[in-house]
Amino acid sequence: AQSVAQPEDQVNVAEGNPLTVKCTYSVSGNPYLFWYVQYPNRGLQFLLKYITGDNLVKGSYGFEAEFNKSQTSFHLKKPSALVSDSALYFCAVRDGEVNNNDMRFGAGTRLTVKP
Amino acid sequence: NAGVTQTPKFQVLKTGQSMTLQCAQDMNHNSMYWYRQDPGMGLRLIYYSASEGTTDKGEVPNGYNVSRLNKREFSLRLESAAPSQTSVYFCASSTRQGGNGNTIYFGEGSWLTVV
Repeated sequence: AQSVAQPEDQVNVAEGNPLTVKCTYSVSGNPYLFWYVQYPNRGLQFLLKYITGDNLVKGSYGFEAEFNKSQTSFHLKKPSALVSDSALYFCAVRDGEVNNNDMRFGAGTRLTVKP
Repeated sequence: NAGVTQTPKFQVLKTGQSMTLQCAQDMNHNSMYWYRQDPGMGLRLIYYSASEGTTDKGEVPNGYNVSRLNKREFSLRLESAAPSQTSVYFCASSTRQGGNGNTIYFGEGSWLTVV
């Protein structure tokens, strides 16, 4: 079955600096990759996804992610962090060659942006 | 824009009690899901319903039952609650168009404590 690893439990950055939240995946077929954000006491909100095409995917709130097949990675990035970006971020993967609804999530990375 | 609505938001149960978490979506989605979120473990799929009239087990189905009442509603039942079922539960939905590339949309969560 597919799986996702988010190697950092916590990422701290200063406001205005670039941020990166890391994600690596394992899947037998083609990876369909997703990023979600969760604010305190709320549900998960969709940020962006990679299905096919351009390796650089742009999403909501100025976030982007780069699909790297050779490194099996899908890191989330933003050029200039805001305090309001502080939240819990989840990477998720589906196997594009298996016709089911099985989406696997990483354990999450808590991003803290300090003023 | 209600999206995915789940109730109750908070519940405390005694060991052995039963309860049902209710979920409804107004996006005309075919597929619905129940996940649980535990610290350090991300989200794990309990059950899903690919379409009205079908349900399937996910990663962690033991101790739970589900009912897809109609296209809009998908309920999760704990028949005999155990402390290990203390968690945050999320209902979610998605279309079936686009296959595995479709986005999952989440409710706000239900915080369940079993004492």
